[in-house]
Amino acid sequence: GAGVSQSPRYKVAKRGQDVALRCDPISGHVSLFWYQQALGQGPEFLTYFQNEAQLDKSGLPSDRFFAERPEGSVSTLKIQRTQQEDSAVYLCASSPGRNTEAFFGQGTRLTVV
Amino acid sequence: KNEVEQSPQNLTAQEGEFITINCSYSVGISALHWLQQHPGGGIVSLFMLSSGKKKHGRLIATINIQEKHSSLHITASHPRDSAVYICAVGRGTGTASKLTFGTGTRLQVTL
Repeated sequence: GAGVSQSPRYKVAKRGQDVALRCDPISGHVSLFWYQQALGQGPEFLTYFQNEAQLDKSGLPSDRFFAERPEGSVSTLKIQRTQQEDSAVYLCASSPGRNTEAFFGQGTRLTVV
Repeated sequence: KNEVEQSPQNLTAQEGEFITINCSYSVGISALHWLQQHPGGGIVSLFMLSSGKKKHGRLIATINIQEKHSSLHITASHPRDSAVYICAVGRGTGTASKLTFGTGTRLQVTL
């Protein structure tokens, strides 16, 4: 596809369940970012990949959060033992390189019940 | 205090009105982005700028680096402009810029 694709669009998880969120960036985009957006708030940075290397994971809120991009294209954000406070929209963005425009996916809305 | 502040938080305008949304930031930046978010979560990049002014259709974005301030203007507003407008600043240099976001301005344009 032409844009950044995220799946699933919506996910309801029971507290304690593990979830995996997928991001398909635009082909050839080097940089990939994950952001978390709580209801009524602006997105907040979680982690950044340059190709397959995770260069910054300073925004991951706990060790229950894990992200990977093993082949430098598709990325997965995994949340273990989900908690209610994990409920948010998780946004993925990709960009061609350094300090360039970011292209966002539609996001995955995670609701933990 | 947030590193990126937007005003107003909410804005209602009638069709045809000229709209201004303001963004102030308190950190050094490599670029400032204006983004549009419609209900349902999708974010679209409107502008990325590091100096001066950019125009695209009815949208104009300006930035004053010395004053750490940017404005987004919408001329001849239309109901389809109703969305949340988000200001975000990029701060990376050696690597791609992670963005720090404002909380957004919710715009509703009525007939």
